[in-house]
Amino acid sequence: GAVVSQHPSRVICKSGTSVKIECRSLDFQATTMFWYRQFPKQSLMLMATSNEGSKATYEQGVEKDKFLINHASLTLSTLTVTSAHPEDSSFYICSAPDRSSYNSPLHFGNGTRLTVT
Amino acid sequence: AQSVTQPDIHITVSEGASLELRCNYSYGATPYLFWYVQSPGQGLQLLLKYFSGDTLVQGIKGFEAEFKRSQSSFNLRKPSVHWSDAAEYFCAVGASSNYQLIWGAGTKLIIKP
Repeated sequence: GAVVSQHPSRVICKSGTSVKIECRSLDFQATTMFWYRQFPKQSLMLMATSNEGSKATYEQGVEKDKFLINHASLTLSTLTVTSAHPEDSSFYICSAPDRSSYNSPLHFGNGTRLTVT
Repeated sequence: AQSVTQPDIHITVSEGASLELRCNYSYGATPYLFWYVQSPGQGLQLLLKYFSGDTLVQGIKGFEAEFKRSQSSFNLRKPSVHWSDAAEYFCAVGASSNYQLIWGAGTKLIIKP
């Protein structure tokens, strides 16, 4: 079945550095991908919608310059956390709808645990 | 305002017992309803979804959910839980034409041996 692969699964970085998270659709094309942030014991918060070949759409309150999104191909979207700070530590999850399948099911990556020291 | 409420932050049930996780929603249009499960440190897996038709929906892993429009509810049930069902469960509502789902806060399911 369709799978979304997200890497890395876990990353630790120093404050001030940048971290890139990749989200790949493995056997379907994803013109749209979604990026979420999940705080401990809380629900998912949609950060942005990534669109292949165009600019991402950010949710209110999400800093565009802080969370850079690039969707350069039909199977890859990346989220770069720039100049990371400890408050950026969180669990980041991507998802993509498989529009080639009936009802366009939404597939999720396994998430990336970011820890900024 | 559009919202999803999962009243129970966590629920503890004995292995083999029945389970019901509650979900209430407030949504302006015809709701498309979802239940997802998240194992620790992992992404989300779709258990089941309701778009239209029969209000009792069967999902994977023996789960089912019933859409009750009059109560704005979409409760998840399982007749007999297994230890492997211990996880976080999320209810979500959205429209089929976009995937900007509105998520509940989740219910953590704890299984007693």
